[in-house]
Amino acid sequence: KNQVEQSPQSLIILEGKNCTLQCNYTVSPFSNLRWYKQDTGRGPVSLTIMTFSENTKSNGRYTATLDADTKQSSLHITASQLSDSASYICVVSAEYGNKLVFGAGTILRVKS
Amino acid sequence: NAGVTQTPKFRVLKTGQSMTLLCAQDMNHEYMYWYRQDPGMGLRLIHYSVGEGTTAKGEVPDGYNVSRLKKQNFLLGLESAAPSQTSVYFCASSYGVLSYEQYFGPGTRLTVT
Repeated sequence: KNQVEQSPQSLIILEGKNCTLQCNYTVSPFSNLRWYKQDTGRGPVSLTIMTFSENTKSNGRYTATLDADTKQSSLHITASQLSDSASYICVVSAEYGNKLVFGAGTILRVKS
Repeated sequence: NAGVTQTPKFRVLKTGQSMTLLCAQDMNHEYMYWYRQDPGMGLRLIHYSVGEGTTAKGEVPDGYNVSRLKKQNFLLGLESAAPSQTSVYFCASSYGVLSYEQYFGPGTRLTVT
């Protein structure tokens, strides 16, 4: 069964600190993996998209890694800001791009 | 560019009532999608369209109907609302198949009492 599991479910960190969010997937055949940021009351916005051959991708203070062998991905946020408070969703594309499997998300709260 | 817009933003329905959610995109995307998002769960695909005049079922299509009469619009209908359809509904669009980047609308929060 295609599944995407994210951990932790929620996280509180102090402004300026770094954090790492995890994503494990059992999706086959794998096409690509993406991370989205969803602010409260808004739709998800894409942060990164990685294919099988990419193991790191950055977007500003966000760095995503992918280990296709262990089927794990992580999203590292550097020097967090209050505006980073959001839900972060891991999404895996399967079946040659014809199916997206969404994780339930990690809720991050950055406090001052 | 407005991107993807959805109307209405909020709606409360009584069980058995019907309604239509409207999604519009100005990016000339061929593909459009309707998702629902429930607490503690990932987004689930309801229906999608690969072009004007075409629609297809997603993961959770029961109780919903869709139409894509114009390329820029994708309508989601609930013929007889049920409390289980209380959710936040997101529309998205993309240039190509699901592996392409999807652009999401702001969502519609629907409550069925």
